[in-house]
Amino acid sequence: DQQVKQNSPSLSVQEGRISILNCDYTNSMFDYFLWYKKYPAEGPTFLISISSIKDKNEDGRFTVFLNKSAKHLSLHIVPSQPGDSAVYFCAASGDRGSTLGRLYFGRGTQLTVWP
Amino acid sequence: GAGVSQSPRYKVAKRGQDVALRCDPISGHVSLFWYQQALGQGPEFLTYFQNEAQLDKSGLPSDRFFAERPEGSVSTLKIQRTQQEDSAVYLCASSAGWVQETQYFGPGTRLLVL
Repeated sequence: DQQVKQNSPSLSVQEGRISILNCDYTNSMFDYFLWYKKYPAEGPTFLISISSIKDKNEDGRFTVFLNKSAKHLSLHIVPSQPGDSAVYFCAASGDRGSTLGRLYFGRGTQLTVWP
Repeated sequence: GAGVSQSPRYKVAKRGQDVALRCDPISGHVSLFWYQQALGQGPEFLTYFQNEAQLDKSGLPSDRFFAERPEGSVSTLKIQRTQQEDSAVYLCASSAGWVQETQYFGPGTRLLVL
């Protein structure tokens, strides 16, 4: 059973515009959330994270928003650049019933930024 | 090295063959994780080491999968009698501590079982 869901397999955005990637989770014990970016033939690269005590975290062009009541988080990229084209994975941890640092991943969203 | 490295990057095995996948974590990192990523899926947890101790192997799909980290640094994931369903990318990740911290991933080993 998928505890972290990314319901959009792909997203296409024009350069300079905002990209919004969405993620939903079902396990209310999750308290730490991360976004990873993955290029073909490479491992996932850490992008940004947020703890459940916050509702927003910003790092340059990247902002993650967390809505705990809706069990939803989103990643905003502003402005989008062609180099942002990659697969973005949402991940969560904190399930007290298992290894604390164990990450649960969504299936990923392929972002394409076109000129 | 600066990051997590894995070898080999690609491995083709005949069904029934044993394979060994190696992970070199970031120097000094306490925690080491193995994940399996099937085509079109997100990575799925296999096992976790804190230094040399394997504290969680609940994600290993069968007793054909075995992992070790004898000196608390390099780790090896071994798959015995490989099956076609073992075909996947095997990712290793390390983190500095043993609480919730950012995990840094290696490039993965792509295993194809024919």
